[in-house]
Parts: sequence; structure tokens; C-alpha cells
Amino acid sequence: QVQLQESGPGLVKPSETLSLTCTVSGGSISSYYWSWIRQPPGKGLEWVGYIYYTGSTNYNPSLKSRVTISVDTSKSQFSLKLSSVTAADTAVYYCAKFARRGSGYYFDYWGQGTLVTVSS
Amino acid sequence: EIVLTQSPGTLSLSPGERATLSCRASQSVSSSYLAWYQQKPGQAPRLLIYGASTRATGFPDRFSGSGSGTDFTLTISRLEPEDFAVYYCQQYGSSPPVTFGQGTRLEIK
Repeated sequence: QVQLQESGPGLVKPSETLSLTCTVSGGSISSYYWSWIRQPPGKGLEWVGYIYYTGSTNYNPSLKSRVTISVDTSKSQFSLKLSSVTAADTAVYYCAKFARRGSGYYFDYWGQGTLVTVSS
Repeated sequence: EIVLTQSPGTLSLSPGERATLSCRASQSVSSSYLAWYQQKPGQAPRLLIYGASTRATGFPDRFSGSGSGTDFTLTISRLEPEDFAVYYCQQYGSSPPVTFGQGTRLEIK
């Protein structure tokens, strides 16, 4: 059973860079896609981006200029960096495994989520 | 960008009733690329349906998904107390490759 756990600061100052890490356990990080999804308080889900274990990425165009997702297979971790944050970036950030199979494309395992608040 | 519009925004029903949730896409979506998630307060979303109609592990057969093209439906045949939650549809397609609907809140009447 794959498990994901987000970690990182819960408070980030405006204009600074948000940095989160997701640790994958119970399965290999290789051969799969890994994603970040966020949810502002009381609102819906927004896809941030995903990375293949080889390092190939795809980002939401609305965030592309500020987002970097990277992977460290030796540590079974992938990371999110979001630069120049504002209050609008306050959200629960989830990491998730993105399954791309003949049966469909979907997020089959999720972390518990971590709330990041942008405030001075 | 493919926009997913879910309706209704809130659905108020009683246990034992049938729930029908709609997800309409602004462009045609391959059935393989349409999924549904259930989210309860304070929890991460949980995969419910993938490939438009395949139930994920752990969900009973009172949950079913259907549809094709631009119109997809999630049906809960007989509501149990634990089914009251927010439901999201999600598609994979053109840029951005992943989008979610805004969600339908299923609440106890």
C-alpha cells in the first residue's frame, strides 16, 4: 500500500518561496507519475503539476512561471517549489500518485495534506 | 482548457434516497480520462470512480458512474449516512492536462 506524506513549513511570507516535500513509502517511486494538488480553504481542488520519476514535468499553465517540481528517487521523495507567493496561494497542499493506465488517468493515492498559510 | 461544471452545487437528500450528481465538460472527454473523488471534512480526496464507470477499491456497489463525451453522472443508489460528503469529477486531457470540477456537496436533508 503506497503512502505519501507531505512536509514543510506551514507559514510562508508574501513574496517568498513555498517549499514542500512528499515522501513516498510502501512502494517504488520509479515508473510512476507524482503530482501536487492544492485546495484553498473552503474551496475546490486545483492541480498544480506532475513529475515522472525520470524528471519530466508538466505544470498548470496558470502557475507555470512560479512552479518547480523535482524528484529524488534515491530518497523516494518529490518536491514542490512555488515562488513569489501571495495570500492567494494559501491552501492545503496534497501530494498524490497519478496513475496513467489503459483503464484511466487518475489520482489513486493521496497524502493527508498540509496547510500552508501565506502571511507576514 | 476543458472546464468541468458540476451540478447541483449542493444536493440535500435523506438516507435511503437516490443521489444523481452531474459533471458536464466544455469539450468531449474520453471516458478513460474521467474520474470521481469523494472528500469528507478534514480528509484528503479519495478515488471513487475511474474510467468513468469503474469503482475503486473499497467502495460498495451502490456507487456507480456513467456517461460519455461531455456528460457524466455519479449515482448513489441508496444513501448511507457515511456517503454525505463533497464529490469532485476530474478529467485528463489538453492543456492543462488535469482539471477538476468545482464539486457537489451532498448534505443530509
